[in-house]
Amino acid sequence: AQSVTQPDIHITVSEGASLELRCNYSYGATPYLFWYVQSPGQGLQLLLKYFSGDTLVQGIKGFEAEFKRSQSSFNLRKPSVHWSDAAEYFCAVGAMTSGTYKYIFGTGTRLKVLA
Amino acid sequence: EAQVTQNPRYLITVTGKKLTVTCSQNMNHEYMSWYRQDPGLGLRQIYYSMNVEVTDKGDVPEGYKVSRKEKRNFPLILESPSPNQTSLYFCASSFLIGSDEQYFGPGTRLTVT
Repeated sequence: AQSVTQPDIHITVSEGASLELRCNYSYGATPYLFWYVQSPGQGLQLLLKYFSGDTLVQGIKGFEAEFKRSQSSFNLRKPSVHWSDAAEYFCAVGAMTSGTYKYIFGTGTRLKVLA
Repeated sequence: EAQVTQNPRYLITVTGKKLTVTCSQNMNHEYMSWYRQDPGLGLRQIYYSMNVEVTDKGDVPEGYKVSRKEKRNFPLILESPSPNQTSLYFCASSFLIGSDEQYFGPGTRLTVT
């Protein structure tokens, strides 16, 4: 069955440090890949998405993600974290399952930023 | 402004008292969906709709109903809420299914006592 794994439940980084959030998926083909961010008390906002082409994708707020087919991964990165990046991050895939497309979300990674 | 709206944002109710959470989008999206978010479980899909009068179950549909009589609206109905339905609920919409980004509402925090 299709699945999305975010192995890190919590991550803490210092402001200005680099960040990498991991995402692995299980799917027979290349799915559509998304990263969303959820700030406290807010809905989810799209950071970036990958459909095809260049495997390094740029998103909003200085985030980027790299698709690695061989590792079934789509890790999110940011070179220098800001305090306002503290939030929960969700990786998601859009994939065909049982004859229809659906979205599958990971369980999320909560980011804490130290001043 | 393109948006998905949900009402109410917060709701405390008692077991067995029917309730409806409304969802509306102004982007003419075909696809709409309801999710519940619980700690450690991420977002789980309750129901989705691919168009007017076309709805289908997601991963956790038990205890919920939906309807899609108009393209813009997709209400979530709890006929007899129970405490295990205490959760944060999100409505989302997109043009396409699976290949398009979803736009999320602000969420409805439901507590069932």
